[in-house]
Amino acid sequence: GQQVMQIPQYQHVQEGEDFTTYCNSSTTLSNIQWYKQRPGGHPVFLIQLVKSGEVKKQKRLTFQFGEAKKNSSLHITATQTTDVGTYFCAGGVNTGFQKLVFGTGTRLLVSP
Amino acid sequence: DVKVTQSSRYLVKRTGEKVFLECVQDMDHENMFWYRQDPGLGLRLIYFSYDVKMKEKGDIPEGYSVSREKKERFSLILESASTNQTSMYLCAARYQGARGNTIYFGEGSWLTVV
Repeated sequence: GQQVMQIPQYQHVQEGEDFTTYCNSSTTLSNIQWYKQRPGGHPVFLIQLVKSGEVKKQKRLTFQFGEAKKNSSLHITATQTTDVGTYFCAGGVNTGFQKLVFGTGTRLLVSP
Repeated sequence: DVKVTQSSRYLVKRTGEKVFLECVQDMDHENMFWYRQDPGLGLRLIYFSYDVKMKEKGDIPEGYSVSREKKERFSLILESASTNQTSMYLCAARYQGARGNTIYFGEGSWLTVV
C-alpha cells in the first residue's frame, strides 16, 4: 500500500544548529502537510504544500515540495529548545476520498 | 479553533474486555478519523468516517470497529482487547476550507491492555 518514509528517525542537535527532515512517498501525492507533536502532546498542523516545487517559510522553518510531488523536506534554521518534538509529514492521496498517509516521524531533541 | 475531545486520557483494561474510546468534535466537520500511534511506526489509520453512519476501513482495521451515529461523535471499539492493542489512540476531525484539508487532533488516549 501507500507508504511515506521519513528520515532521520531521530536527531539530536545543539541549540543554534540547523535541522532537516526528509519525507519520501512511493507514489505521487496531491499535497503534503507537516505536523509537529510536542512531547506528551498531540500532532498540530503546521502547513500544507500543494504545488510542484512549492517552497513556503514560517519564520525559521522552510518547507519544500518536490518537483515530482513525491518528496518533501522541512528545514529549521538555528534551532531553539522550543523546536523539540516530533515532526510528521503527511501525504495527501486521492482515492475518491482524500486520505492522508503519515510518515514515520522525526524526533528532534535540542540541547541548550 | 476546532476542538476535538477524547473522553478518556488514560485507560488500563484487561485482555478480552470490550473497550470504547469516545471522540467528540465541536465543529460541523463531516470527516473524522481514528489513528493509533506507536514508536517508530508513526500514525496509522484505523478507520475513518466521511459522514454520519458512513465508515471506511483504514490501513489497520483488524480488531477494531467504529460507530458514527451523530455527526459530532465518532467512537472506536475494541471488541476484545489484546495486549498488542496497547498504544496511543488519536481521534481527528478534518476541516475542509480555506486552509485546505487540515486535520485537527484530539489530545490522545493512552490505552494499556494487561
